Parts: sequence; C-alpha cells; structure tokens
Amino acid sequence: SQQGEEDPQALSIQEGENATMNCSYKTSINNLQWYRQNSGRGLVHLILIRSNEREKHSGRLRVTLDTSKKSSSLLITASRAADTASYFCATAPDPYGNNRLAFGKGNQVVVIP
Amino acid sequence: EPEVTQTPSHQVTQMGQEVILRCVPISNHLYFYWYRQILGQKVEFLVSFYNNEISEKSEIFDDQFSVERPDGSNFTLKIRSTKLEDSAMYFCASSEAMGQGMEKLFFGSGTQLSVL
Repeated sequence: SQQGEEDPQALSIQEGENATMNCSYKTSINNLQWYRQNSGRGLVHLILIRSNEREKHSGRLRVTLDTSKKSSSLLITASRAADTASYFCATAPDPYGNNRLAFGKGNQVVVIP
Repeated sequence: EPEVTQTPSHQVTQMGQEVILRCVPISNHLYFYWYRQILGQKVEFLVSFYNNEISEKSEIFDDQFSVERPDGSNFTLKIRSTKLEDSAMYFCASSEAMGQGMEKLFFGSGTQLSVL
C-alpha cells in the first residue's frame, strides 16, 4: 500500500528561521497533502499539491513535488512560535482519489521564541 | 469556522467490551471517514462512508468494526469486541465532496481509546 514517509527529523529552530521537512512515497499518486497537528488536537489541512503540479504556495508555506523522485518538501518561512506542531504528509493514491489517504509518521517542529 | 466534533475525548474499556465512538461531521459535508493512530505509529485509514454506505475500507476494518450514520448529524464507529491492539487515537474526518478542489479533509480532535 502507499506510504507517505517524512524524513524522521525533529526540528528545533529559532523564531524567524525557515523550517524544511521532506516526504517520500512509493507509488503513483493523485495528490499530496500536508497536515499540521498541534498537541492534543486533530489534524489541520495546510496545503494540497496535485500530481501535475511542481510547486505551490500558501502564505508562508511552500510545497514542492517531484513525482520522478516520489518526494515532496514543505517549507515554512519566517517561522513563529505558533508553528510548533507535528507536520504530516499524506498521499492520495491514484486511481482511488481522495478516499484513503496514506500518512507519514510526522515531523515534530519546535519553534523557539 | 465549522468543525468536526468527537466524543468522548477519552474512552477506557475492558478487552472484549463493545465501544462506540461518536462524531458529528461538518453539516454540509457528504463524505465521512475514520482514521486511527496507534501511539508512535502512522495515521491509518480505516473506512470512508458516503450516501449511507461504506465506499472503501482498509484491511484493518474487519468484522469487528462497523460504522453508522444513525441520523442526519452523527457518524459512529463501533468496535464489537475490543482487543488490546485496538488501543489508539481514533480520528473522524469529513469532506465536502470528492471532486477537484474539495478533497480537503477536516478532522476532529480524536478519541483516545485505551483497552485494558
């Protein structure tokens, strides 16, 4: 089955710095999504990139997708203390579409004020 | 902003007991999902539900699991005879539709199920 796999890093950065995390997957996808989870809360959708897109921006977020390498990256620019959370990538398999997302284990990001 | 609500936030049960986890999806959403996360492991898809029937389920979703939309607002996950390995955080989610631009899932805060 498909797997989203983040680089198993716990990032600790200073406020104002950029945070980058990566995700790789194994099979073809319809789209790839990034979610954030604050401690004790549910997953919050951040951004979706389709298989025919290479880069997407949303506010301070920048996502890239390289389907030839089956990998994606999430960049958070000018980080804030409120960005402290776990970040998950999730792939929507092709041809099932959105129905079953395959999540990675998540990256813990700590932004130090 | 509308949100998915789940109750209870924590559930402790004895092995072999039945549990029902409850969810209220966002009111105009049509697709409903259950995912779970065992401590330290990935978030795993369990089941999706549309138009009052299961549209897809994973290998985890065996005969011990069932879902129901008993009325216009609730969506429940039942585990008939809980096992120790069912201990996990269970997330309910909903989405507006399946078409392009509407694949975003809205998740509840989860129910932490502990089977003793």
